[in-house]
Amino acid sequence: EVQLVESGGGLVQPGGSLRLSCAASGFTFSNYDMHWVRQPAGKGLEWVSAIGITGDTYYPGSVKGRFTISRENAENSLYLQMNSLTVGDTAVYYCARAPRSIPGAPDCWGQGTLVTVSS
Amino acid sequence: EIVLTQSPATLSLSPGERATLSCRASQSLSSYLVWYQQKPGQAPRLLIYDASNRATGIPARFSGSGSGTDFTLTISSLEPEDLAVYYCQQRHAWPYTFGQGTKLEIK
Repeated sequence: EVQLVESGGGLVQPGGSLRLSCAASGFTFSNYDMHWVRQPAGKGLEWVSAIGITGDTYYPGSVKGRFTISRENAENSLYLQMNSLTVGDTAVYYCARAPRSIPGAPDCWGQGTLVTVSS
Repeated sequence: EIVLTQSPATLSLSPGERATLSCRASQSLSSYLVWYQQKPGQAPRLLIYDASNRATGIPARFSGSGSGTDFTLTISSLEPEDLAVYYCQQRHAWPYTFGQGTKLEIK
């Protein structure tokens, strides 16, 4: 069974840092692009970052310079290092995989981990 | 950044009826438009990719059409379990972006 399990969310003060992890199982992790997408409570979806199978990374302007996506294929794991957090970063963060045949169209998502930025 | 505008914001229909959801892009996407379903308390689920291709396991009552800037998701005969928010998303250019969603209510 294909599975993505996020962890590492929690409460952090503005200006603080947090590292999210995503454990993948049931598929060949190294063959897939991986993504982080977030969703504030009651609101829509926003792409946070992406990493290709060769390690190329992508960020939208809202998080560029603050967030870093990485992957460890030997451990079937995806990470998101988040620095200089603001209240606007409060959201559920989803890990998702996208097949190489349809990059940018994730076909499997984790259940999400909640990040709350508050003083 | 490509902006996607979905309409209507909310759609209320009865079981068995046909639902038509729209997504308009601020620039041409060719066919690189994706649809997701998000049920309450769940992660998004891939429904349609590249405008008209159903993802694995998606029932045939879901279909997508369109190209360029105008796209449509059609649910031919609504089931009660289709209650959800439906999002369109473009994978034409980074940063990938989503529409604001259409909430489908089942009467």
